[in-house]
Amino acid sequence: EVQLVESGGGLVQPGGSLRLSCAASGFTFSSYWMSWVRQAPGKGLEWVANIKQDGSEKYYVDSVKGRFTISRDNAKNSLYLQMNSLRAEDTAVYYCARWTDSSGYNYWGQGTLVTVSS
Amino acid sequence: SYELTQPPSVSVSPGQTARITCSGDALPKQYAYWYQQKPGQAPVLVIYKDSERPSGIPERFSGSSSGTTVTLTISGVQAEDEADYYCQSADSSGTHVVFGGGTKLTVL
Repeated sequence: EVQLVESGGGLVQPGGSLRLSCAASGFTFSSYWMSWVRQAPGKGLEWVANIKQDGSEKYYVDSVKGRFTISRDNAKNSLYLQMNSLRAEDTAVYYCARWTDSSGYNYWGQGTLVTVSS
Repeated sequence: SYELTQPPSVSVSPGQTARITCSGDALPKQYAYWYQQKPGQAPVLVIYKDSERPSGIPERFSGSSSGTTVTLTISGVQAEDEADYYCQSADSSGTHVVFGGGTKLTVL
């Protein structure tokens, strides 16, 4: 059974940092593009970043470029999101999701809440 | 930056057909995907590659594409279909993912 389990969310002050993790199981993690998608309270889904199978390609939404870094450790079946210089508008539930061109985001984690507030 | 445009809300009575549109300039070149999200839950894929339905998704869900617009159709809407629906695609380069703003489907 495919499972994606996020962790690392919490309350952080503006300007602070946080590192999210996503533990993957039930599939060959190194064979898939992976993404982070977020959802602010009461708002829609927003793609944040994605990373190629071997980590050689990474793409970001403009609003987080230069502040967030997506990475992966295929030996640990884990996806990460390092978030620096956090702003109030980064407050959201952050989901990790598995991507394939042939079937889109067909697996999602349960999400982890990040709250940026003083 | 590239955007996908959806109507904020659609309302239908049980048993009727709901149609949710999504417009974007790159849709003739990039596939669209549709997700259903109920309160407090992660999104669920209901349509991929414009019109393909994943296993386990009821046959009443279908997708179509015409030019710069894709459409999610739910035939014979049931109360359990009340949810937010999001289209998703990519920009013309295929490197940046984009979601539509979401459509709240209300079953009257």
